[in-house]
Amino acid sequence: AAGVIQSPRHLIKEKRETATLKCYPIPRHDTVYWYQQGPGQDPQFLISFYEKMQSDKGSIPDRFSAQQFSDYHSELNMSSLELGDSALYFCASSLLPASPNTEAFFGQGTRLTVV
Amino acid sequence: AQSVTQLGSHVSVSEGALVLLRCNYSSSVPPYLFWYVQYPNQGLQLLLKYTTGATLVKGINGFEAEFKKSETSFHLTKPSAHMSDAAEYFCAVSDRKDSGAGSYQLTFGKGTKLSVIP
Repeated sequence: AAGVIQSPRHLIKEKRETATLKCYPIPRHDTVYWYQQGPGQDPQFLISFYEKMQSDKGSIPDRFSAQQFSDYHSELNMSSLELGDSALYFCASSLLPASPNTEAFFGQGTRLTVV
Repeated sequence: AQSVTQLGSHVSVSEGALVLLRCNYSSSVPPYLFWYVQYPNQGLQLLLKYTTGATLVKGINGFEAEFKKSETSFHLTKPSAHMSDAAEYFCAVSDRKDSGAGSYQLTFGKGTKLSVIP
């Protein structure tokens, strides 16, 4: 079965550079979520999109932006990178927003290292 | 605001022994509760979830959890640990959103690393 695809799997950037992370949800899933997991930390919710509109916003820095495109894939754009942005970035997708029978499936993550 | 507390950042059990990973939550509304497992360099895989109905929830790989409202707990158990259970386990809570474009905004606990000793 198709899963959530994230690219790239690994990314190394220098301070003050920009990075773009991509997420391809499971086919027919219309909701995408982004999470950030720092080293040894729990995942923190950043932002989510439903039908190409932002649906929830968490602890996403102003230097970051995201969008969901017409084919439902999503991109997380990160500018002026800082050392503290080094983390594993997860994307998850679900069909429809929260309901008892909805499950969010996570991708394998993009590991961003800022040097 | 919702929060999750996982007691014990690291738990070691012998192979074949009972696994018990503790999770307590706080939420202003009846929550959805989840347990996820993360293997090294892997994504998060859903083990089980509680939304409504029966408070004892069975998940994959022989794990189960019981929602106890009076104790605000959702502890994860498995009767007999297997070497392949060694991983990090995250408890998570999501506020119920009954309508509208809500989302599965999850609040995770800090995680518990489970080690299984042969």
